[in-house]
Amino acid sequence: DGGITQSPKYLFRKEGQNVTLSCEQNLNHDAMYWYRQDPGQGLRLIYYSQIVNDFQKGDIAEGYSVSREKKESFPLTVTSAQKNPTAFYLCASSISEGRGQYFGAGPRLSVL
Amino acid sequence: AQKVTQAQTEISVVEKEDVTLDCVYETRDTTYYLFWYKQPPSGELVFLIRRNSFDEQNEISGRYSWNFQKSTSSFNFTITASQVVDSAVYFCALSGLYNNNDMRFGAGTRLTVKP
Repeated sequence: DGGITQSPKYLFRKEGQNVTLSCEQNLNHDAMYWYRQDPGQGLRLIYYSQIVNDFQKGDIAEGYSVSREKKESFPLTVTSAQKNPTAFYLCASSISEGRGQYFGAGPRLSVL
Repeated sequence: AQKVTQAQTEISVVEKEDVTLDCVYETRDTTYYLFWYKQPPSGELVFLIRRNSFDEQNEISGRYSWNFQKSTSSFNFTITASQVVDSAVYFCALSGLYNNNDMRFGAGTRLTVKP
């Protein structure tokens, strides 16, 4: 089945630690995205990448970093500089033209 | 600036009732896409529909229908004869016609369908 895989479903981070969230897609999509979802709010864009080895900041990139070494993978690192990391993180992908994005399912990050 | 407003935070209905989820958008673009996504308890966003700004025809898909009115900048979503499985958070979103990178989401409407 084609789709987006995010793992794990739940993730815990100790204060001061970095944590990396995995996102893999087998849809052969060029573009990939990371969003943050907080309760009662819509999704906010953290980073996006249109092609391999290139990525751009979204609205709330501070405290996050990404890499795009392979077309199918777009990992997100939540660094210790992100002061309020507890949220639901959604990864998405799309073909390059504006055809809508396909989403994964989490994970939910909590800080211990 | 692009903005999507979903004024209804939560809606609760009894099974078999019809329900309409409102979506109002703002954009300076003359061409754009509008979307609806469903987020069930499992968390992923499920794509429901994409509508481009050239096409104001209403669309029906089974129990789902969408009403797009450019004159009022609205893209409302109606579920007919609601079912418990329709319980989810529904998001309306807006993006440029050729640019997915600036997709703006509304805050979402949580729909609860009671048996």
